[in-house]
Amino acid sequence: SQQGEEDPQALSIQEGENATMNCSYKTSINNLQWYRQNSGRGLVHLILIRSNEREKHSGRLRVTLDTSKKSSSLLITASRAADTASYFCAGGGGSQGNLIFGKGTKLSVKP
Amino acid sequence: DAEITQSPRHKITETGRQVTLACHQTWNHNNMFWYRQDLGHGLRLIHYSYGVHDTNKGEVSDGYSVSRSNTEDLPLTLESAASSQTSVYFCASSEQGTYGYTFGSGTRLTVV
Repeated sequence: SQQGEEDPQALSIQEGENATMNCSYKTSINNLQWYRQNSGRGLVHLILIRSNEREKHSGRLRVTLDTSKKSSSLLITASRAADTASYFCAGGGGSQGNLIFGKGTKLSVKP
Repeated sequence: DAEITQSPRHKITETGRQVTLACHQTWNHNNMFWYRQDLGHGLRLIHYSYGVHDTNKGEVSDGYSVSRSNTEDLPLTLESAASSQTSVYFCASSEQGTYGYTFGSGTRLTVV
């Protein structure tokens, strides 16, 4: 069963715009992670936010976590064509358990 | 540099044949995982291992097996390949629990 459900399933924007993707999850988590997957490649870890954190930044990435609503958002600011990829959220149990991934948001950034 | 490699990158096999997909990591990670990725389903966990001689079933383990004889390798075996097992398979590893997986580049398997 999917832990995370991303929304929207697909997003198309112009270069320079911000992209926001949302994720909802079902069970209690210790951390929430976001991954990027370029076409035909493996997933790459972007950022991790722990359950006791509300917001985290890394470069052009901003992640928020609302454990009361079981939801997270990923904001990519000033998007570039190179950001075109699929983005997945995944909920983790910490030292035990496994990451359970959502189905992903396909982001297309047009030059 | 440490890495995680999967082989082969592409494979075509016939229904009923046994197939083994290789995963090798030089991160010295204790935790290793196999996922399959299908359109409309995202990534689904097949099997995972927390260390040598430890293996566990994931969400979609039927028809698959793994063994862990050393830290570096977690081969995935399809006992009798079926068309429903046509998919892209990803291996991943992590140092500790669910904190930041490192993924291989994937194996695209086609069962005809």
